[in-house]
Formats: sequence, structure tokens, C-alpha cells
Amino acid sequence: SQQGEEDPQALSIQEGENATMNCSYKTSINNLQWYRQNSGRGLVHLILIRSNEREKHSGRLRVTLDTSKKSSSLLITASRAADTASYFCATEGSGYSTLTFGKGTMLLVSP
Amino acid sequence: SQTIHQWPATLVQPVGSPLSLECTVEGTSNPNLYWYRQAAGRGLQLLFYSVGIGQISSEVPQNLSASRPQDRQFILSSKKLLLSDSGFYLCAWSGLAGREQFFGPGTRLTVL
Repeated sequence: SQQGEEDPQALSIQEGENATMNCSYKTSINNLQWYRQNSGRGLVHLILIRSNEREKHSGRLRVTLDTSKKSSSLLITASRAADTASYFCATEGSGYSTLTFGKGTMLLVSP
Repeated sequence: SQTIHQWPATLVQPVGSPLSLECTVEGTSNPNLYWYRQAAGRGLQLLFYSVGIGQISSEVPQNLSASRPQDRQFILSSKKLLLSDSGFYLCAWSGLAGREQFFGPGTRLTVL
């Protein structure tokens, strides 16, 4: 399976701190994406990083990709209570046309 | 702008009853469409995807089926629900396969 695995499964921090979540996968990919899910809602796309990219920024989000280690990280800087959600990585494997999602990291940001 | 709708939002059904969940997309044409199931505290499991009208690919063999009768309509069905069919069902669309997907609000299905 090419499924991504997020680490940690749960993360609890205070407002203003940075949150780092990691994702590992097993096979070669075309791109890796991060999504956010508020409780009981659909997923929202955050950022896509291609296999030939190493780092990407979007607002307070920073994503890195290390294809040699088959891993990615999502950094949320200066976290806010509104960032409380589950975060999923998803990979488009080489030769595949669908995404494979990990099990997610639950982030709790306390005021 | 594009929007995606799912209904119903919640559904409680007895074991053995039929199921029909509907998903429609507005503001785009010829989208790739996807049905996922999410068990409590788990990731998303891809059930079906479609690249065009009448074209359905099944990822997991089970008692569910999908149909795409119109370009922007995707339906998930079952003739007889099982307890294990309970979960959160999400529909999504993308403009290109493998690119960012846009999700609907989901349907919470409880089979009793």
C-alpha cells in the first residue's frame, strides 16, 4: 500500500506555539497534499507539493518534502485556537490517478 | 465558483434496508468524482471514482455501488445495508486526476 502515515496521532499545544506534523509514505509519488478537517465536516485542501519541490509556503503553513526519506512535514506557525482540526496527508502515487490518505493527526490548540 | 452538495446530511437506517446518497457539483464541467468512507478516528477509504458519465471504478469490493447518470451527479447506493456500512461518507471532485480535491460536507450514516 502507498498509504501515508501521519505522526503524531494527536498533538496538543498552546496558542502562539508552532505545530509540526509528519507524514511518511511507501512508494514513489507525483505529489503530496495536506488537508484539514474540522470535526464532522468535509476536508479542505491546504497545500500541494510536487515531487520535484522541497519546500512550499502558504501563509502560516510551511510544507517540506524529502523524497529520499519518503516523508513530508507540515508546520503551522503561531497557531490559533481556530487551527484545531485533524490534518491529513494524501499522496498521488506514480502511475496512479487517485489519492491515498493517511489516518491523520488531531491537533488541539488551547487558548 | 464551484460548489459541491451532498444529501442527506445524516441518515439512520435499519440493517437490510436500501441506501441512496447523492452528490452534485456546480460550476464546473466533466469533473472527476470520488466517494470516500471515513470510519470514526480513521483516514479516508476510497470507494469509487469516476472520470466521466457512466464510467465507474471500484476500489473496494463490497455491497455498495455507484452511478454517474449525469456529468455532475454521483450516487452511492446499496440494496441491503450492513452494520459495517456505518460511517461518514464524503463526496469529492477534482479538475484533474491526482490534483487537489474539493470535498462536500459529508453524510453521517448509522446502520442499526
